[in-house]
Amino acid sequence: DAGITQSPRYKITETGRQVTLMCHQTWSHSYMFWYRQDLGHGLRLIYYSAAADITDKGEVPDGYVVSRSKTENFPLTLESATRSQTSVYFCASSGTAFSYEQYFGPGTRLTVT
Amino acid sequence: AQKVTQAQTEISVVEKEDVTLDCVYETRDTTYYLFWYKQPPSGELVFLIRRNSFDEQNEISGRYSWNFQKSTSSFNFTITASQVVDSAVYFCALSLPQGSARQLTFGSGTQLTVLP
Repeated sequence: DAGITQSPRYKITETGRQVTLMCHQTWSHSYMFWYRQDLGHGLRLIYYSAAADITDKGEVPDGYVVSRSKTENFPLTLESATRSQTSVYFCASSGTAFSYEQYFGPGTRLTVT
Repeated sequence: AQKVTQAQTEISVVEKEDVTLDCVYETRDTTYYLFWYKQPPSGELVFLIRRNSFDEQNEISGRYSWNFQKSTSSFNFTITASQVVDSAVYFCALSLPQGSARQLTFGSGTQLTVLP
């Protein structure tokens, strides 16, 4: 399907486990982003990537790891999940040099018990 | 650092009323981009509009209109003749075209409820 997809849509995991959230886009957009959305904090940027093999930290990167070996994929890994990482995670992508709007995936609701 | 303020946390209107959602931004840069996103109860984030800092023309799209005023650093969003389907959280956001960033700074959102 065209667009930006995230998997899984829902995930429950235990404290200390490693979990990877997947993001895939079919537009060949250069830029990709990971946000988390929490009540009282709005949307906060975790990591972003300007191109394959180029990633950088956002506002709240601690406890997360990203990679981008292919333009279309941008997985987010929680190395050792904590309860404070319970959140809704959104992946987004942005395309051409003059197109700054970001298009968001459907989100992944992650619960860490 | 840039900042986006949406002072209205919640707004409730009756269907067919007009409603304006306020957005005030702060940035020292002269070139920037402003956005509005809609998040309906289903949870996805839907892009509505982008406005460049060098283009102060207001825009109308159907029942939606946007008023961009650099003098007051505001980018307000008006829904005319609101409908129940407009019920959602609306986010205003700002982006600076510097380096490889392109990060969006979001406001805290305004929950709009349109009552039948």
